[in-house]
Amino acid sequence: QIQLVQSGPELKKPGESVKISCKASGYTFTDYAMHWVKQAPGKGLKWMGWINTYTGKPTYADDFKGRFVFSLEASASTANLQISNLKNEDTATYFCARDVYSDFAYWGQGTLVTVSS
Amino acid sequence: DVVMTQTPVSLPVSLGGQASISCRSSQSLVHSNGNTYLHWYLQKPGQSPQLLIYRVSNRFSGVPDRFSGSGSGTDFTLKISRVEPEDLGDYYCLQSTHFPRTFGGGTKLELK
Repeated sequence: QIQLVQSGPELKKPGESVKISCKASGYTFTDYAMHWVKQAPGKGLKWMGWINTYTGKPTYADDFKGRFVFSLEASASTANLQISNLKNEDTATYFCARDVYSDFAYWGQGTLVTVSS
Repeated sequence: DVVMTQTPVSLPVSLGGQASISCRSSQSLVHSNGNTYLHWYLQKPGQSPQLLIYRVSNRFSGVPDRFSGSGSGTDFTLKISRVEPEDLGDYYCLQSTHFPRTFGGGTKLELK
């Protein structure tokens, strides 16, 4: 069955960096793009962008340009999200998600990143 | 960006009753290919969102037929009949017709 398994929770200080992984299984990794979605505590969902798992080309929503980097370890069927120069407002749960019909049919379990001094 | 407006924000329901959630977009969600990319999700507390309805009215695998979606253009509705305890949580609509993808603000379905 299709699974997206994300790395565990992170506690970071402002200014530090964090890297979250999303390991896919149950399908051919390079057949589907991987998306990233942010959910701040008690808030709604916000699409961050996606990465073409075949070419490695990332596309970022405007609010996530600059400090956010999507990358791949295609041989390990893994997509990564790195956030640099962390700010308090980056405290959130980050989800990876995969489409079937441009619809986020499959989701990782989420990774909570807490930024606190 | 396309703004997705969900109403109501909170929806108290009785078990066995019916619920209806509205999602309106600031522009038409009809893609140039003729498809309409409007989807519905349920997020239970502490869990990832789960896809209920894709492309307006198609139930995802395993979703009970108590859930139905309808609408066109800019106006969409999710209906839940015979509400069960496992239906409680936060509901979101998502448009993926236009870049960037945007979610509605969410509707909390809770017991009356």
